[in-house]
Amino acid sequence: GAGVSQSPRYKVAKRGQDVALRCDPISGHVSLFWYQQALGQGPEFLTYFQNEAQLDKSGLPSDRFFAERPEGSVSTLKIQRTQQEDSAVYLCASSFGQQGPYGTIYFGEGSWLTVV
Amino acid sequence: ELKVEQNPLFLSMQEGKNYTIYCNYSTTSDRLYWYRQDPGKSLESLFVLLSNGAVKQEGRLMASLDTKARLSTLHITAAVHDLSATYFCAVSFTGTASKLTFGTGTRLQVTL
Repeated sequence: GAGVSQSPRYKVAKRGQDVALRCDPISGHVSLFWYQQALGQGPEFLTYFQNEAQLDKSGLPSDRFFAERPEGSVSTLKIQRTQQEDSAVYLCASSFGQQGPYGTIYFGEGSWLTVV
Repeated sequence: ELKVEQNPLFLSMQEGKNYTIYCNYSTTSDRLYWYRQDPGKSLESLFVLLSNGAVKQEGRLMASLDTKARLSTLHITAAVHDLSATYFCAVSFTGTASKLTFGTGTRLQVTL
């Protein structure tokens, strides 16, 4: 597609439920990032993939968060046993470069997660 | 600590006026980015600044980078209502090539 595509756009989860958020990066983009954006705040880094390799997961807030990109294209961010503090917008981004942020980084429209 | 600070956090300005948003960061960087975000929307890339003294302009927006001062500015010339949005700067710090550290954003409101 023309841009970074994320689904679902909106998700309401009951506390304790598991959720999976999908990201389709721009075709051919090697680097893929996940960010978490709380209301009124700037995005915060979660994790980074170069192709299928997860090179940096230092921003994942707990072991309830897990991300994968098994074939080097689509990525899934999974949150287990969701808690209210997980409520945020989860942004996926991709770029062409192979070494972290390189040139323009394109963001998707985000998945809005509300945990009730 | 890797920190990015923006000011002001909120800016209300009249159409036709000029203003500058400031972005300070805590240590050496590889790249600095400016993004625009409209309510409920994603981040739109505005500028990528790579080196000291870099200046880029697009329409009424001009961004500059001073790596020695660890400062970037986003200058708005003759503001129009369509520029109302939240503006973020984000830094790729040296040695942390995989991640961007974002500022808290500047919410710009342009009034008639």
